[in-house]
Amino acid sequence: NAGVTQTPKFRVLKTGQSMTLLCAQDMNHEYMYWYRQDPGMGLRLIHYSVGEGTTAKGEVPDGYNVSRLKKQNFLLGLESAAPSQTSVYFCASSSRDYTGELFFGEGSRLTVL
Amino acid sequence: ILNVEQSPQSLHVQEGDSTNFTCSFPSSNFYALHWYRWETAKSPEALFVMTLNGDEKKKGRISATLNTKEGYSYLYIKGSQPEDSATYLCALKTSYDKVIFGPGTSLSVIP
Repeated sequence: NAGVTQTPKFRVLKTGQSMTLLCAQDMNHEYMYWYRQDPGMGLRLIHYSVGEGTTAKGEVPDGYNVSRLKKQNFLLGLESAAPSQTSVYFCASSSRDYTGELFFGEGSRLTVL
Repeated sequence: ILNVEQSPQSLHVQEGDSTNFTCSFPSSNFYALHWYRWETAKSPEALFVMTLNGDEKKKGRISATLNTKEGYSYLYIKGSQPEDSATYLCALKTSYDKVIFGPGTSLSVIP
């Protein structure tokens, strides 16, 4: 049972390059989230989605775009990477239950040089 | 943007000591409060989901309370063990879809 899977696990980019992180979940969850984790700052919400074809901005959305073309997948894109986007990115999903416990992927470490 | 605060930022305790952390938030208008345990090199995993004022949860040596009127939740660990060493995250489900995290409390249990 895979749960939430993120790819790639590691990536090094040069400033200005673009890339996409893929999150896939097999729990039939409606809600999906992208967070970034930086030292001393916990998890900050970038974008989230409440269902296929819908996305919304979180706390720190600038410089990122997302898409939810299929219910099981949530893509996070960086159009022009900047060193400030060096971080560990976590994807999470939850059911529509109003209590909404999150299930996390293993994280993707991105370094922008 | 709702600000979820946690204290202390880090904590070092001896094996066998009991300890507690605080999560505080300015609003009682939320759907649920979550506590997550995050071990190094792993993903956060949910410990408790709390929904009512006065709600109290317990799992083994770990328990949590919630006071929505005064805007805080406590996480207690009784008789800390080295395997309890982790970062403990508090998160607030502020609407039916958005979940905002605090910065976490890092616990180190010294054998």
